[in-house]
Amino acid sequence: GDSVTQTEGPVTLSEGTSLTVNCSYETKQYPTLFWYVQYPGEGPQLLFKVPKANEKGSNRGFEATYNKEATSFHLQKASVQESDSAVYYCALSGYGSSGNKLIFGIGTLLSVKP
Amino acid sequence: GPKVLQIPSHQIIDMGQMVTLNCDPVSNHLYFYWYKQILGQQMEFLVNFYNGKVMEKSKLFKDQFSVERPDGSYFTLKIQPTALEDSAVYFCASSLAAGYQNTLYFGAGTRLSVL
Repeated sequence: GDSVTQTEGPVTLSEGTSLTVNCSYETKQYPTLFWYVQYPGEGPQLLFKVPKANEKGSNRGFEATYNKEATSFHLQKASVQESDSAVYYCALSGYGSSGNKLIFGIGTLLSVKP
Repeated sequence: GPKVLQIPSHQIIDMGQMVTLNCDPVSNHLYFYWYKQILGQQMEFLVNFYNGKVMEKSKLFKDQFSVERPDGSYFTLKIQPTALEDSAVYFCASSLAAGYQNTLYFGAGTRLSVL
C-alpha cells in the first residue's frame, strides 16, 4: 500500500541555519504531495502542495520539489527562525475511491533555538 | 484561515464506556474526516463522510465506531464500547470538495485517554 517515510525527529537547529527534512514515498498511483505544519496547540495546516511531478512548491521560505524518479519530496529552508518551531508532516494522496485520503509520514519535530 | 473546532480537547473515560467526540467543521465544507494518532506514531485515516454517508473507512474503523452529522450540526465520532487501544489523539478534518488535490483543514485534536 501507499506509504510515506520522513526524517525522524526531533531536529534542533539554531536560528539562521538551513533545514532539510527528508521525505520519500511509495505509491502505484500519481499522487499529489503535501507538506503540513502543526504548531503547538493547533491542528495540522497546509504549508503547500504539489500535484505534478517535477514541479516545486513553496511557502514562507520553505520549498520542496516533487521528484518522481527518486520518489522524494524533501522540505528545505535556507534560514530557519524560532517561529518555525513546529511538527512538519509529509503526506500524499492518490486518486482513490472517494474523497481525499491523506497518507501521512510520522512527523518531524523541529525546534529552533535563538 | 478556515477553522475546524474540536470539543473537548481532552477526554478521560473508563474502558467499556461510550464516548462521543465532536467536530465543528468549516461552515461551507461538504466532506468530513476522522484521523487517529497514537503517541509517537503516524496520523492514520479512519473514515470519510459525505452527504450523510460513510464513503470510505479503514481497517482501524472498528465496528464499535460510528460517525454522523445530524441536521448539519456537529460531525461526531462515537465509540461504544471503548477499549484501551482506543487511547489516542483524534483529529477531525473537513474539505470543500473531494479529489486528491483538495486541501483538508484539521482541528487541534481531541486527546482520548481510556483507563
